[in-house]
Amino acid sequence: AQSVAQPEDQVNVAEGNPLTVKCTYSVSGNPYLFWYVQYPNRGLQFLLKYITGDNLVKGSYGFEAEFNKSQTSFHLKKPSALVSDSALYFCAVRYNQAGTALIFGKGTTLSVSS
Amino acid sequence: GAVVSQHPSWVICKSGTSVKIECRSLDFQATTMFWYRQFPKQSLMLMATSNEGSKATYEQGVEKDKFLINHASLTLSTLTVTSAHPEDSSFYICSGAEGGTGELFFGEGSRLTVL
Repeated sequence: AQSVAQPEDQVNVAEGNPLTVKCTYSVSGNPYLFWYVQYPNRGLQFLLKYITGDNLVKGSYGFEAEFNKSQTSFHLKKPSALVSDSALYFCAVRYNQAGTALIFGKGTTLSVSS
Repeated sequence: GAVVSQHPSWVICKSGTSVKIECRSLDFQATTMFWYRQFPKQSLMLMATSNEGSKATYEQGVEKDKFLINHASLTLSTLTVTSAHPEDSSFYICSGAEGGTGELFFGEGSRLTVL
């Protein structure tokens, strides 16, 4: 079965500092990996995805993620955090590109202090 | 880009009543619609998968008679919470998969509060 793990419930970082939100995955075959952000009482906003190709994926709002097959990880990163980045972040996996649902991690709350 | 319009955004109802949540795909045809449920500060749990014109496939533990899903057209799917109880209070989110690419688009979610 496919799954993702987000080991941290919360990540705290000061504004201007780099941030990392961790994600590891377990899937048979090639993984299709995603990151989404959710603000309170809102739906999900797509940040980026890895399907194939370059291991470093660049996404929206300055975020990027690195696919590491040997470590089965797909950590989300940003070089310089903003207070407005504070939100709930979800890593998700899908075992093919079409027709199947996303399976989400438990989510990590990012808190950026000014 | 493609949008999924979900409404109502907020709904409060009395225990025992039924509530319908609609998701419409705008500018694309959603051959598959996924329905998720999210408890406060928790992850999204897949409830069911529906393909246009077919019966929905429910995840283990989800009561199909309580959560009725209809996907009668390529642009509309509905979730009806029947005989709602306070424990059904939750945030419900739909996600449509575009027929050609399989790309997923999420609705804004519906906050259900059952009194």
